[in-house]
Amino acid sequence: GESVGLHLPTLSVQEGDNSIINCAYSNSASDYFIWYKQESGKGPQFIIDIRSNMDKRQGQRVTVLLNKTVKHLSLQIAATQPGDSAVYFCAENYNNDMRFGAGTRLTVKP
Amino acid sequence: DAGVIQSPRHEVTEMGQEVTLRCKPISGHDYLFWYRQTMMRGLELLIYFNNNVPIDDSGMPEDRFSAKMPNASFSTLKIQPSEPRDSAVYFCASRRQGSGANVLTFGAGSRLTVL
Repeated sequence: GESVGLHLPTLSVQEGDNSIINCAYSNSASDYFIWYKQESGKGPQFIIDIRSNMDKRQGQRVTVLLNKTVKHLSLQIAATQPGDSAVYFCAENYNNDMRFGAGTRLTVKP
Repeated sequence: DAGVIQSPRHEVTEMGQEVTLRCKPISGHDYLFWYRQTMMRGLELLIYFNNNVPIDDSGMPEDRFSAKMPNASFSTLKIQPSEPRDSAVYFCASRRQGSGANVLTFGAGSRLTVL
């Protein structure tokens, strides 16, 4: 029979534009959050993290925003490049239990 | 640093066979995690170890799955007997205690296909 799988949200952007990937987390007690990038055939790779006592953190071309009131995370990528095409996962951590979201597939059009 | 090393990268086996997946964490990392990734369920935590001791195995699907960490540089995930629904990519990840963060470094994964 036909298999039913996760339908990953997909974001398609033009090269050079900014990307915003959103994530809703589930545990209000989670104290640490991470964004991972997973390219085809590879394991997830760390991009940026944020603790629950912060609401914004910036890295190189990436910014993570945390809104604890509505349990929402976002990842902003500036000047998106073809090499940014991947699946992006948010992860929430509480007591060493790190749980991953379903992921968002980012496609960058040249 | 070679990163987290997993083997095999790909395995195709028949239902009922035993499967053993292997992981070498990053030297000095004292936490080791096993995850399973499928289209149906995404990334799921199966089990994790701290200083070679299993801490939480509540994610292990059933008794057919077992994991060991005989020393700080080696862990195995075994499935016996394997079933088609076990087909997935299995990731091992490690991190250092007291790093001030919970950043996991993942291996490249072992893609398992059970026919």
